[in-house]
Amino acid sequence: DAKTTQPPSMDCAEGRAANLPCNHSTISGNEYVYWYRQIHSQGPQYIIHGLKNNETNEMASLIITEDRKSSTLILPHATLRDTAVYYCIVRVTNFGNEKLTFGTGTRLTIIP
Amino acid sequence: DAGITQSPRHKVTETGTPVTLRCHQTENHRYMYWYRQDPGHGLRLIHYSYGVKDTDKGEVSDGYSVSRSKTEDFLLTLESATSSQTSVYFCATAKSFSSYNEQFFGPGTRLTVL
Repeated sequence: DAKTTQPPSMDCAEGRAANLPCNHSTISGNEYVYWYRQIHSQGPQYIIHGLKNNETNEMASLIITEDRKSSTLILPHATLRDTAVYYCIVRVTNFGNEKLTFGTGTRLTIIP
Repeated sequence: DAGITQSPRHKVTETGTPVTLRCHQTENHRYMYWYRQDPGHGLRLIHYSYGVKDTDKGEVSDGYSVSRSKTEDFLLTLESATSSQTSVYFCATAKSFSSYNEQFFGPGTRLTVL
């Protein structure tokens, strides 16, 4: 699976959009981009994933650049409960490779 | 999320003793995983299972074994615990193999090896 690079920490004001970048310059054509987050002391929680098209769900939006070498997770109206560590993961989904490889992620702090 | 429970939630043990952690799920998910989480390392995969009696190693499997005799239970065993195995352990499950392989995580077990 391709390696990802994320900033170690970010702050965002409550109510504003939080934009979390991820670089995955060595991504291959069949690798998906996944985002998970981990709120303090809890197990990670799935947020969203995508291949090459932008995706949106009730939690967030995922913007993937046309060359797929980077992506941005957008939390449109951040709340204090969005304070967490956010993990960007790239993986290919073929049999025998179902596992996720977590890096150290971005610690997002929402400021009141 | 997927009805995942882990037991025990906290355990303190001594070096050299065997330890078994249990993960139980009620959603009939095919895939189950054990991760450990340590400061500065994120989550690292220990072992995973893709069906009853079907298991494989992850990136940090040394010193750990697993067993899965039933769909709902995935056991992680430390045969002889060491201080380096002090960590928070998370179990996860996934419904099936597909591009939507969302993993659901349990609440974690905090293990301290003295």
